[in-house]
Amino acid sequence: GQSLEQPSEVTAVEGAIVQINCTYQTSGFYGLSWYQQHDGGAPTFLSYNALDGLEETGRFSSFLSRSDSYGYLLLQELQMKDSASYFCAVRGDSSYKLIFGSGTRLLVRP
Amino acid sequence: NAGVTQTPKFRILKIGQSMTLQCTQDMNHNYMYWYRQDPGMGLKLIYYSVGAGITDKGEVPNGYNVSRSTTEDFPLRLELAAPSQTSVYFCASSYPRQGENQPQHFGDGTRLSIL
Repeated sequence: GQSLEQPSEVTAVEGAIVQINCTYQTSGFYGLSWYQQHDGGAPTFLSYNALDGLEETGRFSSFLSRSDSYGYLLLQELQMKDSASYFCAVRGDSSYKLIFGSGTRLLVRP
Repeated sequence: NAGVTQTPKFRILKIGQSMTLQCTQDMNHNYMYWYRQDPGMGLKLIYYSVGAGITDKGEVPNGYNVSRSTTEDFPLRLELAAPSQTSVYFCASSYPRQGENQPQHFGDGTRLSIL
C-alpha cells in the first residue's frame, strides 16, 4: 500500500522557523508536494520536489531525500497567517494521482 | 478566470436521497479529481479523470459515480446517501506535464451532511 506520515500538530512562535516532516511509503515515486489549507478553506499548492535537495520559494522551502523516503517543509519568519494545516502529498504509482498525508496543524503564537 | 467552481457550497440530505455535486473548471485542464475530507483528516481520492470520456476509481469510490462528458465539467453523484458520506468534498484540476510538477487547483468545497 501507500502511506504518508507527518506530525499531527506543531506549535511555534511568530518570527521563528518551523520544520514539518513527512515520510512516505509508495510503490513508485514521481514527486513530493506540499499544500496549505486554512480552516474552512481549500488546499492551495505550496511546493514540489521531484529530485533530491532543497527548493526555495520565498519564506517557504521544501526538501526531499528519495533514498530516505523523506521530505520536509521549512517555514521561516513565521507569521500569524501561517497558522493552517499543511499536507504532504506523493505522486506514487501514478504520475497524476496524489496521495495525501493526514496533515500537520501549525499554530503560530504571538 | 474563475478557476475551479463547485456547487452547491452547503447541502443537507436525508438518508437514501441522491444528489449531484457540480464541478466546472475554465483552465482547460485535462485532469480532474474528486476528494473527500473528513474532519481533521487528509484528502481521500474518490474518482479522477484524465480527459473527457475517461474516468477511474480512486481510494474510496464506493457509493459514488462520476461522468466526464466535457473537458470543463466533472460532476460527482451520490445515489443513496448514507451518514458515512457526511464530509467536505473538493474538486480539483491539473494540467498534464510529463515529468514535471502538476499542481492541483482546488475548488472551495461542498459541505455535505447526511441526516
